[in-house]
Amino acid sequence: DQQVKQNSPSLSVQEGRISILNCDYTNSMFDYFLWYKKYPAEGPTFLISISSIKDKNEDGRFTVFLNKSAKHLSLHIVPSQPGDSAVYFCAATYSGTYKYIFGTGTRLKVLA
Amino acid sequence: NAGVTQTPKFRVLKTGQSMTLLCAQDMNHEYMYWYRQDPGMGLRLIHYSVGEGTTAKGEVPDGYNVSRLKKQNFLLGLESAAPSQTSVYFCASSSLDRLKAFFGQGTRLTVV
Repeated sequence: DQQVKQNSPSLSVQEGRISILNCDYTNSMFDYFLWYKKYPAEGPTFLISISSIKDKNEDGRFTVFLNKSAKHLSLHIVPSQPGDSAVYFCAATYSGTYKYIFGTGTRLKVLA
Repeated sequence: NAGVTQTPKFRVLKTGQSMTLLCAQDMNHEYMYWYRQDPGMGLRLIHYSVGEGTTAKGEVPDGYNVSRLKKQNFLLGLESAAPSQTSVYFCASSSLDRLKAFFGQGTRLTVV
């Protein structure tokens, strides 16, 4: 039972355009969501997060949107840069659990 | 500042052999995790620990054992390796607030 789903395995975007990565979840108890970026042969690194009390969080070129009624979140990268090419994982957790549940990842390729 | 360090980085095992993966963190984090990453499967939680001397099962615990004798170390053991355990293993740690988890560089394990 995949509680966190990233339905797009890959995405290609031109440099300078917007990248939108999507994530859906099924467990309504999730109250905190994170995005991680992973380069080949490296561990995932934290990118940005959002609490369920918010619907938007920005950090530079990265913005995460949360739609609780749809159980959907998205990561926007504007403008996209070649260095953003990586695998992006969505993760979720909730108060009362110690675990982070990850999605399957989306491979983003930013074309120069 | 090392963060989360995993040892070894690469290993090839024969079916039936045993080994231990070591994870060390220098951030005084309470929580530690072992994940495995497989193509198309994302990051799946094997075992985790909420403090020294405590461990708990994650999503895919079968065939693995763990120990947390010291707060800074979390060991993952394979008693009798199987080809299905060929994967990339990531250790992570987080503080009590669980606002984000920090990952190690990973261990690529091949079981032949």
